[in-house]
Amino acid sequence: EPEVTQTPSHQVTQMGQEVILRCVPISNHLYFYWYRQILGQKVEFLVSFYNNEISEKSEIFDDQFSVERPDGSNFTLKIRSTKLEDSAMYFCASSVILVDTQYFGPGTRLTVL
Amino acid sequence: KNEVEQSPQNLTAQEGEFITINCSYSVGISALHWLQQHPGGGIVSLFMLSSGKKKHGRLIATINIQEKHSSLHITASHPRDSAVYICSEPLCSGSARQLTFGSGTQLTVLP
Repeated sequence: EPEVTQTPSHQVTQMGQEVILRCVPISNHLYFYWYRQILGQKVEFLVSFYNNEISEKSEIFDDQFSVERPDGSNFTLKIRSTKLEDSAMYFCASSVILVDTQYFGPGTRLTVL
Repeated sequence: KNEVEQSPQNLTAQEGEFITINCSYSVGISALHWLQQHPGGGIVSLFMLSSGKKKHGRLIATINIQEKHSSLHITASHPRDSAVYICSEPLCSGSARQLTFGSGTQLTVLP
């Protein structure tokens, strides 16, 4: 069964460094999403991406964040200058259409020191 | 902003019991998403529903759009059902700022 994959599974970085989290969505899906979950807190929506551009973003998704689909398979989330409060689990998801079942990746645990 | 409340926050059941998790929201929505988060952190989408009832195996989800309420039922519960169950408003165009997740219901099923 097709699945969403994410790499790395765990990323440790120093405050102020740039990080890129990678996701490979399911191949025939058209919508891609990033969510984050700070330890012990709710899942939060960051951004959705469709047709090679951002379709929706939350208030959390400020100028420090960017997303890209550099080729036909990868979908990346970049954090330009990480802060301590960026430490969280980041989940990628994809769906065929917008209001549809989303398939989640296993997550990347980001730790900012 | 839509307030999404789940109850109970924690639920412990014996294997075989029928389980109900409730989700209420304050602002009318057209659909609701039920997710399951495993102890290891992985998230699985269970249901997206906009009316009536959906069934998948031992899981049943119902929604009443007028009453702004949804329930997730698990029949013949099993220890492997132990997880956090989350309801959320699915992303619709223009709603990103209001996209809301419930805080989850921690379910523990004892053998």
